Amino acid sequence: GAVVSQHPSWVICKSGTSVKIECRSLDFQATTMFWYRQFPKQSLMLMATSNEGSKATYEQGVEKDKFLINHASLTLSTLTVTSAHPEDSSFYICSARDVGGQQETQYFGPGTRLLVL
Amino acid sequence: GQNIDQPTEMTATEGAIVQINCTYQTSGFNGLFWYQQHAGEAPTFLSYNVLDGLEEKGRFSSFLSRSKGYSYLLLKELQMKDSASYLCAVQDSNYQLIWGAGTKLIIKP
Repeated sequence: GAVVSQHPSWVICKSGTSVKIECRSLDFQATTMFWYRQFPKQSLMLMATSNEGSKATYEQGVEKDKFLINHASLTLSTLTVTSAHPEDSSFYICSARDVGGQQETQYFGPGTRLLVL
Repeated sequence: GQNIDQPTEMTATEGAIVQINCTYQTSGFNGLFWYQQHAGEAPTFLSYNVLDGLEEKGRFSSFLSRSKGYSYLLLKELQMKDSASYLCAVQDSNYQLIWGAGTKLIIKP
């Protein structure tokens, strides 16, 4: 099946620093990738939709200047959490939509745990 | 509005069968997905239904009735490793996934 990787898997940083998370589709091209956030024991929350070669579409309540998304190629999207604060500590998960198949399934990366001290 | 409903939690016995239901109301329909999510991990794809009927894949089967806005995930021969959250998601007319809150399945020996 389709494989999506994320890097890093764990990040611990000081408040005020910026953190970049990479999401890669390894064996398929993804014109669309999605960034989710999940707090403990809560549902997945879609943050933004990342489209290759164009600006990301952010969900209501998500600050686009704080969560910078770049989708520079058909296999890579990055999420940068700028000036991170403890309330940004969460599990960040990306997914990529495989439009090559019939189902247009979203496949998820393994997630990145961010802890801001 | 868009709405996906599934039970919050279910308990079943190892070796038994369990059915997790999902009802939905969305603006458009381009398929329904089931994902499995173990605690602390990202979701993994289980099944996809876009036409009415039953799709079987090993111990897992998924059913869809578009006219009723209803789906279920059927898990047979339950194993302890099946303890996880099961997420129902509908792809709307914009091909965006609308997520249910997930059903936490607890398997007891």
